[in-house]
Amino acid sequence: DTGVSQDPRHKITKRGQNVTFRCDPISEHNRLYWYRQTLGQGPEFLTYFQNEAQLEKSRLLSDRFSAERPKGSFSTLEIQRTEQGDSAMYLCASSWLGGRGYTFGSGTRLTVV
Amino acid sequence: EDKVVQSPLSLVVHEGDTVTLNCSYEVTNFRSLLWYKQEKKAPTFLFMLTSSGIEKKSGRLSSILDKKELFSILNITATQTGDSAVYLCAVEVGEDSSYKLIFGSGTRLLVRP
Repeated sequence: DTGVSQDPRHKITKRGQNVTFRCDPISEHNRLYWYRQTLGQGPEFLTYFQNEAQLEKSRLLSDRFSAERPKGSFSTLEIQRTEQGDSAMYLCASSWLGGRGYTFGSGTRLTVV
Repeated sequence: EDKVVQSPLSLVVHEGDTVTLNCSYEVTNFRSLLWYKQEKKAPTFLFMLTSSGIEKKSGRLSSILDKKELFSILNITATQTGDSAVYLCAVEVGEDSSYKLIFGSGTRLLVRP
């Protein structure tokens, strides 16, 4: 598989629980991005890694959100103490040189009940 | 703050019609403008534009960028039901080797038979 993989595809959790999502980028890509997309909106930037370094975090990202990319390969996004407002599609993308080279995963749809 | 605005938010047409989707932007450190098609899951790449006035074409789709007036349009001629999707405009911003995509809210296109 040469695409970007995300796991799980769907997650339903109770408010207050912690959740973790995984993204496996295209192996040659050194850049990895997390976006959040709510219904009727475009993807919103959350954070970005170049190799294992987290270079930018959106100031909209609360301290309940944390992301890692150990060894510059796969990445995890954890949300602690989930709230109903966290319900969204979480998209991962990877890139080597940007431009036309962004490849998106199919996303993890989170529903907080 | 970087901003990308798309219009209209939604559009319903009949097969064979021609549609024009609009994207305006106000960003710092512009690198390129990209159009994506999203049919439920991962956005898929359509066009990347970096220079004004050069029209990109792919079959029935075409796009042009105006860097002076800060907007782009996406045209779809002879629409088909398979064109029904959300069309996302994104501006790549950044400098040196650090960059990311800023998305608009998307235009939801429905093509009726």
